[in-house]
Amino acid sequence: DTGVSQDPRHKITKRGQNVTFRCDPISEHNRLYWYRQTLGQGPEFLTYFQNEAQLEKSRLLSDRFSAERPKGSFSTLEIQRTEQGDSAMYLCASSLENSLSPLHFGNGTRLTVT
Amino acid sequence: AQSVAQPEDQVNVAEGNPLTVKCTYSVSGNPYLFWYVQYPNRGLQFLLKYITGDNLVKGSYGFEAEFNKSQTSFHLKKPSALVSDSALYFCAVRDMLRSSNTGKLIFGQGTTLQVKP
Repeated sequence: DTGVSQDPRHKITKRGQNVTFRCDPISEHNRLYWYRQTLGQGPEFLTYFQNEAQLEKSRLLSDRFSAERPKGSFSTLEIQRTEQGDSAMYLCASSLENSLSPLHFGNGTRLTVT
Repeated sequence: AQSVAQPEDQVNVAEGNPLTVKCTYSVSGNPYLFWYVQYPNRGLQFLLKYITGDNLVKGSYGFEAEFNKSQTSFHLKKPSALVSDSALYFCAVRDMLRSSNTGKLIFGQGTTLQVKP
């Protein structure tokens, strides 16, 4: 399967701990997105990469959140000093550079902060 | 601001009956609209998109959507529902406001479709 891959699928952590998630996009896709989805809501945009450049960040992305895509391939999303409000599904998506191409999503990482 | 609205939290339909999941949009300029489906504990799967051209767009798994400019709607339809169609459906619009044109999508809040045998 050459779809978008996310790791881990589930993460349980205690408040105040740091967590890091990984996303491997479809190999020929140079656009990569992170979204957050809470129960009963649609996905909310967090940040966007074109190759290795982070070109847009949502106001939802507080300074405790940082994302990287060092070689323009996989990406990581780190949350420092987690809070209970960070509990959500974190979704990664990728697409071709054509702005009309659909986004292809991974299965997400479900974070639970206790 | 660009947005989509899904007025129904849940739609219930009997297997074999036609289904409609509603979506309305608000955009500046031409709308680029998408439908996605999400099964429990999974990511979103692309169903179909409207960019330009025919107002009736056909997609995966027998789904289609009708674009109506005058009503600013993009309703998802299927002539005959299956129990396996039960899932969470999201309408989305491409964010075209930023000059960098990131291609990101803005999603509605979702509609749960329940198809009963």
